[in-house]
Amino acid sequence: AQTVTQSQPEMSVQEAETVTLSCTYDTSESDYYLFWYKQPPSRQMILVIRQEAYKQQNATENRFSVNFQKAAKSFSLKISDSQLGDAAMYFCAYRSATTSGTYKYIFGTGTRLKVLA
Amino acid sequence: DTGVSQDPRHKITKRGQNVTFRCDPISEHNRLYWYRQTLGQGPEFLTYFQNEAQLEKSRLLSDRFSAERPKGSFSTLEIQRTEQGDSAMYLCASSLPGQPQHFGDGTRLSIL
Repeated sequence: AQTVTQSQPEMSVQEAETVTLSCTYDTSESDYYLFWYKQPPSRQMILVIRQEAYKQQNATENRFSVNFQKAAKSFSLKISDSQLGDAAMYFCAYRSATTSGTYKYIFGTGTRLKVLA
Repeated sequence: DTGVSQDPRHKITKRGQNVTFRCDPISEHNRLYWYRQTLGQGPEFLTYFQNEAQLEKSRLLSDRFSAERPKGSFSTLEIQRTEQGDSAMYLCASSLPGQPQHFGDGTRLSIL
């Protein structure tokens, strides 16, 4: 069975600085997707960034980028130029991409990011 | 795109009562998912529909839980004889094939 581990329950970053959130996962599959979702307090989860396992190039979305290390099964999220609006719970998620695989997401326990003014 | 809609936002009920939640996915999304999220944890998968067919159920979904998506559009999740441990946020998500899931605001269930 696949598992996702986020070992940092909470992180803090100064406004305008850079922060990296860690995520490791375990799977025997070779084809899968990885995601980072943001969940602000009392608001819905929003997709931040997505990575296909077959792509070697790390995904980027404006100030958000990932460091995908497939052999190490590591998928960290870097937030550059942090803004107050980035404060939220961040969840790392895994989804199988095999044709016989499940479409469900497997989530980590989350990292609460605080942005200090 | 009006997003995934869930109703109610918050449900308070006494232990032993039945509750039903509704999810309206994004209109063209044929895939619909239910998750449960407890405090301090990530969402846990409950069940998945493709159109009206329920294709996967988690072992978390005990006999007291049932989900339907009768016409392949909205879905309902019913919990019978609620227990204290059912208190959680119930999240609905929808997607197109091969695309990321879009989540609703969730229904928070509180058992007295």
